[in-house]
Amino acid sequence: EPEVTQTPSHQVTQMGQEVILRCVPISNHLYFYWYRQILGQKVEFLVSFYNNEISEKSEIFDDQFSVERPDGSNFTLKIRSTKLEDSAMYFCASSDPTGTLYGYTFGSGTRLTVV
Amino acid sequence: DQQVKQNSPSLSVQEGRISILNCDYTNSMFDYFLWYKKYPAEGPTFLISISSIKDKNEDGRFTVFLNKSAKHLSLHIVPSQPGDSAVYFCAAPWGGSQGNLIFGKGTKLSVKP
Repeated sequence: EPEVTQTPSHQVTQMGQEVILRCVPISNHLYFYWYRQILGQKVEFLVSFYNNEISEKSEIFDDQFSVERPDGSNFTLKIRSTKLEDSAMYFCASSDPTGTLYGYTFGSGTRLTVV
Repeated sequence: DQQVKQNSPSLSVQEGRISILNCDYTNSMFDYFLWYKKYPAEGPTFLISISSIKDKNEDGRFTVFLNKSAKHLSLHIVPSQPGDSAVYFCAAPWGGSQGNLIFGKGTKLSVKP
């Protein structure tokens, strides 16, 4: 069964450093997303991406965050200057044009720890 | 900003019995609801969905019921199996079929043998 692949599974970084979280969505999917889950809290939407541009973003997705699809297969989330409160599980997801009708497919996540 | 609420953080059920997971929502504009299941160290996995024009959707052991007047939905698992032990999230898309998902906090289900 096709899956969304995320790397690394765990990343530890120092406060103020830049991190890039990587995702390989399902190949025929057209819509891409990043969500995050701070420990003990809800899964929260960050950003959606379609046709090489951001289609929607949440209040969390401020100027420190950016997304890119550099080569037609990878989808990345960059945090420019990490803060302690960025520590969370980050989930990438993708969907085909049916979208939420059949649910997005999520990756296994990257656990980001900012120290 | 709790548009989707799961008020029970945990539920423990005996194997073979019914598990009922509840979810409430506040936004009457939601027209679709989804349930996701999440195991530790994995991402959420889509389980079942329901459109607001229906009041029930069934898929094997899983049935979702929707009560629009009460803004309440529930997921029934029968019979429950130990492999069903996971965190279950209720979610609703906002902004169309590709809209962002608004999740509840989740209910951790433990099915005891």
